[in-house]
Amino acid sequence: SYELTQPPSVSVSPGQTARITCSGDALPKKYAYWYQQKSGQAPMLVIYEDTKRPSGIPERFSGSSSGTMATLTISGAQVDDEADYYCYSTDISGYHVFGTGTKVTVL
Amino acid sequence: QVQLVESGGGVVQPGRSLRLSCAVSGLTFSAYGMHWVRQAPGKGLEWLAVISYDGSNTLYADSEKGRISISRDNFKNTLYLQMNSLRPEDTAVYFCFARNGSLDYWGQGTLVTVSS
Repeated sequence: SYELTQPPSVSVSPGQTARITCSGDALPKKYAYWYQQKSGQAPMLVIYEDTKRPSGIPERFSGSSSGTMATLTISGAQVDDEADYYCYSTDISGYHVFGTGTKVTVL
Repeated sequence: QVQLVESGGGVVQPGRSLRLSCAVSGLTFSAYGMHWVRQAPGKGLEWLAVISYDGSNTLYADSEKGRISISRDNFKNTLYLQMNSLRPEDTAVYFCFARNGSLDYWGQGTLVTVSS
């Protein structure tokens, strides 16, 4: 089955830039989406269609995609950004999948 | 205000069946594809199934195909997930979510515990 691979954890100091990668063979042809999930809460969409930011999401969140890798960048990370982050996409057949998840620590 | 409210979770014995519901309000339900996702304790998100806006198309995760069934009632603004032959590893919080482009809404989840 299709897999999206993320690093298990990323640590960043407040105000610095955090980058979370997501690797998948179908990403050259399929959009990536990024979700933020804080403890005990439902996921929240922070990036859709590789690079677009939903209304209300701070500008410090940005997305990019090149080849088989999508990247979520948090520029000027804040303590409030501590959360688990998941990429999400589909394979060539249209089956949906979440990435393995990345725990972002800001300290 | 958009609300998605899951229900139907609880403690169930292995081998039994369960039907989860997701009641949706505050949006045009019939315009949204709807998904079920689960999250086992301390684990990541696992996508389970999607149903098209009109119910004519469904897709399931390979791991659960044949054991779960997604359906919807656009008159009742409700999404369903039928789960059969439940196993302890099905223990998880089950979320429904709706997406239409950049509009993406989730419920708070319902906990299913499979235990004897």
